[in-house]
Amino acid sequence: AQSVTQLGSHVSVSEGALVLLRCNYSSSVPPYLFWYVQYPNQGLQLLLKYTTGATLVKGINGFEAEFKKSETSFHLTKPSAHMSDAAEYFCAVSAPLNFGNEKLTFGTGTRLTIIP
Amino acid sequence: DAGITQSPRHKVTETGTPVTLRCHQTENHRYMYWYRQDPGHGLRLIHYSYGVKDTDKGEVSDGYSVSRSKTEDFLLTLESATSSQTSVYFCAISGTSAYNEQFFGPGTRLTVL
Repeated sequence: AQSVTQLGSHVSVSEGALVLLRCNYSSSVPPYLFWYVQYPNQGLQLLLKYTTGATLVKGINGFEAEFKKSETSFHLTKPSAHMSDAAEYFCAVSAPLNFGNEKLTFGTGTRLTIIP
Repeated sequence: DAGITQSPRHKVTETGTPVTLRCHQTENHRYMYWYRQDPGHGLRLIHYSYGVKDTDKGEVSDGYSVSRSKTEDFLLTLESATSSQTSVYFCAISGTSAYNEQFFGPGTRLTVL
């Protein structure tokens, strides 16, 4: 079984400040981890993913995330927030398809507000 | 962007009426999913399909049925809509990647009065 916990349903940061969105996962097999972003009245867009290999993953719009197995974490960061980053962010976990798991499990989301 | 469309994009209906939502893809992907999104719950899987005529239940399948008669179309039916099914519904697809990377449609906002 897999699960995801996103700490903080709402996060506010000032424009230009560091963005840190927290995600912890639980998985009985080596996980695949994803961050999705949802802008108002739109569908979800893949921001970045970790599958295997390098634990620091870079995504679109200057975001990156680091897979830390010892901490079961996959936190999302961006060095300098921009007004256009205001959105809802979802962390998700899956297992390799050869483990028979075709599904993603999502966290409950974190709404990011940027303060001018 | 992945070729996924959902119809209708908005719908208002009354309690007890049947409703069908359509998801159409042009990517020839094997897997298709229906989620509902509600505040405080994130996205919850309703049903998914792993091929034509092959479907399975997700975590919130009660009151919903699905059908997939063609690779490109995945239909979600609310047999008798209730107010608790007021939500935003998203379709997603996943294909040849072994990582189950999913691509999402634009969503359908359903209101049941």
